Amino acid sequence: KNEVEQSPQNLTAQEGEFITINCSYSVGISALHWLQQHPGGGIVSLFMLSSGKKKHGRLIATINIQEKHSSLHITASHPRDSAVYICATEAAGNKLTFGGGTRVLVKP
Amino acid sequence: SAVISQKPSRDICQRGTSLTIQCQVDSQVTMMFWYRQQPGQSLTLIATANQGSEATYESGFVIDKFPISRPNLTFSTLTVSNMSPEDSSIYLCSVMLSPDLVAFFGQGTRLTVV
Repeated sequence: KNEVEQSPQNLTAQEGEFITINCSYSVGISALHWLQQHPGGGIVSLFMLSSGKKKHGRLIATINIQEKHSSLHITASHPRDSAVYICATEAAGNKLTFGGGTRVLVKP
Repeated sequence: SAVISQKPSRDICQRGTSLTIQCQVDSQVTMMFWYRQQPGQSLTLIATANQGSEATYESGFVIDKFPISRPNLTFSTLTVSNMSPEDSSIYLCSVMLSPDLVAFFGQGTRLTVV
């Protein structure tokens, strides 16, 4: 059974700071997803990674398949980045296993 | 991209009753996924719904409690049967779209059982 661990569980940053969220998993996967969940429950997909690195605006996601580890970075953080960030690993049948989430608060 | 319409967005139900949640996707998809998010916890997969066949349930979830219908490639329902307060959760449907298999989620149904 795949275990997906995220750290930290909670993170508070000042506006403009660089934020890193880590995700580790225990078994081989076909892909890893980074998701953003806003208050009220809506979930938005940020990245889907199977190798290397992806960048979208101020967000960067990396994955190291050998080390079974992924990171999500937020550069020049802004209060609107405040949300819960969730990593999820994808296995056969496109099934997702979710980490516990990282609650990010960016203060102005 | 995909637009997923999920309803109801929230409901408060009496214990012992049932609630059916609907999920409509604006494109045809082979598999639809139903997840539960209990208070303060992350998402857990309930079942995978394929059109034309019975849903596949994950360990800990059974068809009698969570019957699923998948009448066509754009629509699915999840029923939460004989509800108890422990069923109070957010329920979400999700799809993955080719070619990138990015995950899309409905807005969720926040269920409170009293």
